[in-house]
Amino acid sequence: DIHLTQSPSFLSASVGDRVTITCRASQDVSINLAWYQQKPGKAPKLLMYAASTLQSGVPSRFSGSGSGTEFSLTISSLQPEDFATYYCQQLNNYPCTFGRGTKLEIK
Amino acid sequence: EEQLVESGGGLVKPGGSLRLSCVASGFSISIYSMNWVRQAPGKGLEWVSSISSSSNFIYYADSVKGRFTISRDNAENSLYLQMNSLRAEDTALYYCARDETLVRFDPWGQGTLVSVSS
Repeated sequence: DIHLTQSPSFLSASVGDRVTITCRASQDVSINLAWYQQKPGKAPKLLMYAASTLQSGVPSRFSGSGSGTEFSLTISSLQPEDFATYYCQQLNNYPCTFGRGTKLEIK
Repeated sequence: EEQLVESGGGLVKPGGSLRLSCVASGFSISIYSMNWVRQAPGKGLEWVSSISSSSNFIYYADSVKGRFTISRDNAENSLYLQMNSLRAEDTALYYCARDETLVRFDPWGQGTLVSVSS
């Protein structure tokens, strides 16, 4: 199984900050990686797929990059509604594993 | 609006069974793979099972293999998860999600809660 390591696990930041979350895969997943945002009591929401393709309706302050084993999700200027937990997921093969999540909190 | 709605969760004793359902509206599931993903209380996301559009390809997480069975009824626009021999560690919120064949999981349902306790 492909293991995904997200870092950091917790991130404290302020409105307007630029933040980056990384996701490292235990083996090559090409660009078959997605990012999700989850707020308390809500279902995950797709932000990014194919590593760097922004899902329709997602603000352009979100961007993704990477291929192979190293990926990142960047939020260029944090907004109040961005404080949530973020997960990466590899879809290169089954089982399509998730990272353990990064909780983004208000400083 | 494309929507998924899960149902069938509840409280069950260890060793018991439950059948979860997921009904789609606003689109036909017949051309999509479908998935179950679960989230234990306070924990992260765990993929559980996937089924291809015509049910030809089915996959399970090792943690549920041999105990859970995924199925679908394209005519009813529905996805199912039969869960047998339930354990305490199966306690979680179970989500269904559409999958464009290993590209992206979207949309997701709101989840149905399964609690396994004596």
